[in-house]
Amino acid sequence: GAVVSQHPSRVICKSGTSVKIECRSLDFQATTMFWYRQFPKQSLMLMATSNEGSKATYEQGVEKDKFLINHASLTLSTLTVTSAHPEDSSFYICSASDFILRKAFFGQGTRLTVV
Amino acid sequence: KNEVEQSPQNLTAQEGEFITINCSYSVGISALHWLQQHPGGGIVSLFMLSSGKKKHGRLIATINIQEKHSSLHITASHPRDSAVYICAVEGGGNQFYFGTGTSLTVIP
Repeated sequence: GAVVSQHPSRVICKSGTSVKIECRSLDFQATTMFWYRQFPKQSLMLMATSNEGSKATYEQGVEKDKFLINHASLTLSTLTVTSAHPEDSSFYICSASDFILRKAFFGQGTRLTVV
Repeated sequence: KNEVEQSPQNLTAQEGEFITINCSYSVGISALHWLQQHPGGGIVSLFMLSSGKKKHGRLIATINIQEKHSSLHITASHPRDSAVYICAVEGGGNQFYFGTGTSLTVIP
């Protein structure tokens, strides 16, 4: 079964609203989770590193005020797309790494469409 | 059975060796990705390919659509190549399927 659960799998929202995406590690504690986005026909792009109990680390070019990340527990990280615009429409995926097993586990992804 | 199978799961090599990591998949795909994750770091995309072969530095990725198989090659391996390498395929409807990863250790 899935060891990382991402929810929702699809969401459609109106411009200007905010959308929250959840990423949960089910079988292990993840002090670090990662958020990625993918535009059509492009590679996965790392957006930010989510650290439990501290501020997220954002990649260059990713607006931290637009993509709010909260990692309040060892099993849950959330990504909130604030004041969404149509150009935020994309596929968002989270991952969590079990560094003992040296394996990365991925969520199912969230297809966000902003209309 | 997983939609994406990678082999080997773990690999140890001497510096300078030629390395091959294999990926087989069972679903129809629009693209295949090779990803790399260094210890403690996020995953970065190495290649995205849908046919043929791509080369970047010492890394080469090939894909055979008919055989549903891809390989990632590393020439003249170096300790800094030590990482987990993940094969991921894009199916229809933005469905991603991920391999379990290959943990590579290159010894000086």
